[in-house]
Amino acid sequence: GAVVSQHPSWVICKSGTSVKIECRSLDFQATTMFWYRQFPKQSLMLMATSNEGSKATYEQGVEKDKFLINHASLTLSTLTVTSAHPEDSSFYICSARGGWDSPLHFGNGTRLTVT
Amino acid sequence: SQQGEEDPQALSIQEGENATMNCSYKTSINNLQWYRQNSGRGLVHLILIRSNEREKHSGRLRVTLDTSKKSSSLLITASRAADTASYFCATRQGAQKLVFGQGTRLTINP
Repeated sequence: GAVVSQHPSWVICKSGTSVKIECRSLDFQATTMFWYRQFPKQSLMLMATSNEGSKATYEQGVEKDKFLINHASLTLSTLTVTSAHPEDSSFYICSARGGWDSPLHFGNGTRLTVT
Repeated sequence: SQQGEEDPQALSIQEGENATMNCSYKTSINNLQWYRQNSGRGLVHLILIRSNEREKHSGRLRVTLDTSKKSSSLLITASRAADTASYFCATRQGAQKLVFGQGTRLTINP
């Protein structure tokens, strides 16, 4: 089946630093990737939609300059949390889809803790 | 914005019993999907039901869809401890994005 690899699985960083999270589709080409954020015991909140070779589409309320998304190839998208603050601590999950009507395949998430 | 509302928010049953979770949504859909999330992990796609389908089966899973009521249900039969997880319904908004409901936290007690 389709596999999405997300790395790192957890990261602890100091306030003010930047963190990059990678999302790779290992055995299929992902024309679209999605980045979600999840708080404890809550649902997934869509942050942005990333299409290969074009700028990401951010959801309302998500700061594009803070959460930089790059989708340089059909198998890799990255999310960079810039100048991280403790309130950015969360569980970030990426997902990828091969075709328009295909189900999403999720990475295992990244637990970010900003101290 | 959250499209789906799930009910109940939490469900605890004994192993071997059936578990039913419900999802309601607001706008017209092409399909509705159910996902499972184990604690601290990503989501796993379980089943997709299209708007012209009323019921779909996959192993111990049974999904129904009532587009007139804008609701769907997920039934897990003969539950096992390994079924303990959070279950989310998801619907598509616009051309691309998938929006998830609040989820049901299911606990199967041995």
